[in-house]
Amino acid sequence: RKEVEQDPGPFNVPEGATVAFNCTYSNSASQSFFWYRQDCRKEPKLLMSVYSSGNEDGRFTAQLNRASQYISLLIRDSKLSDSATYLCVVNVLNEKLTFGTGTRLTIIP
Amino acid sequence: DGGITQSPKYLFRKEGQNVTLSCEQNLNHDAMYWYRQDPGQGLRLIYYSQIVNDFQKGDIAEGYSVSREKKESFPLTVTSAQKNPTAFYLCASSPDPDRGYTFGSGTRLTVV
Repeated sequence: RKEVEQDPGPFNVPEGATVAFNCTYSNSASQSFFWYRQDCRKEPKLLMSVYSSGNEDGRFTAQLNRASQYISLLIRDSKLSDSATYLCVVNVLNEKLTFGTGTRLTIIP
Repeated sequence: DGGITQSPKYLFRKEGQNVTLSCEQNLNHDAMYWYRQDPGQGLRLIYYSQIVNDFQKGDIAEGYSVSREKKESFPLTVTSAQKNPTAFYLCASSPDPDRGYTFGSGTRLTVV
């Protein structure tokens, strides 16, 4: 089983829609969690950290469910500029981060 | 401005040659990392270093070597032993994994 698993997509959604991604992780000792965004042929950039209590940053909401070992990202009122690949990232041993393979999102005008 | 710089952006190598990719950061981060990304795939860890003069193998270290002689610098050498080196190489640094990574803009290596 992979340490971090994501649905690769692609997710094609109309502009203005709400879209949600889930990610599961295998190690219950995982300490911290992140969502990164990667545009085509660019480096990944930190979108947001994910906290146990859930956290929101504008149109983006992240949730963590430790009991079920999954992380979610919700994007409301999606914009064309949200088109990217979203990477779920887990800090397992506090030495290095483990990346999921990413979920590709395309926002359709 | 602080940041992490990778050079060159594009690199072409003939088969059988070694090549070194540069990664420099002025963020005063202790830890640095090298990842490889193939088209349509996730990031795979090659090597990482948590402190100067120390580094550890990642998941796919074979055919690669690194050094960490200075805090700011973590160069990666792709040797001729690496059988399929064409990929996008990403360097990252971090003060603490709990705070995530900052990535450089990457080097695209093509073997010709």
